[in-house]
Amino acid sequence: DIVMTQSPLSLAVIPGESASISCRSSQSLLHTNGNNYLDWYLQKPRQSPQLLIYLGSNRASGVPDRFNGSGSGTDFTLTITRVEADDVGVYYCMQGIKTPALTFGGGTKVEIK
Amino acid sequence: EEKLVESGGGFIQPGGSLRLSCAASGFSVGSHFMIWVRQGPGKGLETVSVIYIGGRRDYADSVKGRFALLRDSSNNTLHLQMNSLRVEDTAVYYCARAKHISFYGVEGLDVWGQGTTVTVSS
Repeated sequence: DIVMTQSPLSLAVIPGESASISCRSSQSLLHTNGNNYLDWYLQKPRQSPQLLIYLGSNRASGVPDRFNGSGSGTDFTLTITRVEADDVGVYYCMQGIKTPALTFGGGTKVEIK
Repeated sequence: EEKLVESGGGFIQPGGSLRLSCAASGFSVGSHFMIWVRQGPGKGLETVSVIYIGGRRDYADSVKGRFALLRDSSNNTLHLQMNSLRVEDTAVYYCARAKHISFYGVEGLDVWGQGTTVTVSS
């Protein structure tokens, strides 16, 4: 299975500032079609995960442009600009290149300072 | 509105069986790659089982031989039959839909249910 490693485990952010989360995969997520099969999800407290970013950098429907995904191959970053109180929760990356064994990162907990 | 609703969770003793259901509305489960994901207490997300559009099913090694994923197209529902349950199967179980799947991979899980809790304990 592809191992997904996220860092940091947690971070506290002042509202209005930016936050970055790193995700590394044990194998390249860049396919021959030029797409990176890497998603980002946010699990708000007591809720199900929700899709934020797919194919590395595409925002899902309704996701504010404060959320940006970047990276390629094995190294990816989720950047949240102008952090708001509603952004708190646990962020997960997930690889979609190796089915059926879709694997998730361990999660990064984002809190507000 | 595209929606998934899970049900069937509960408290069960080790060795017992449970059948989870995932009812879809607003889309057809037969037209999407579908997945069951679980989250143990205080833990991250783990793929349990998947079903492709063509009907092929796959399972995590930890549940292979014990769990079976069934698709009921007439009722637009997925079922996860869980047998020989173990304490380590305790988790919230979510079903989810892939936004798109191709030869190259899965592009995002864009619809998730609210989850159903399974507790395995003596």
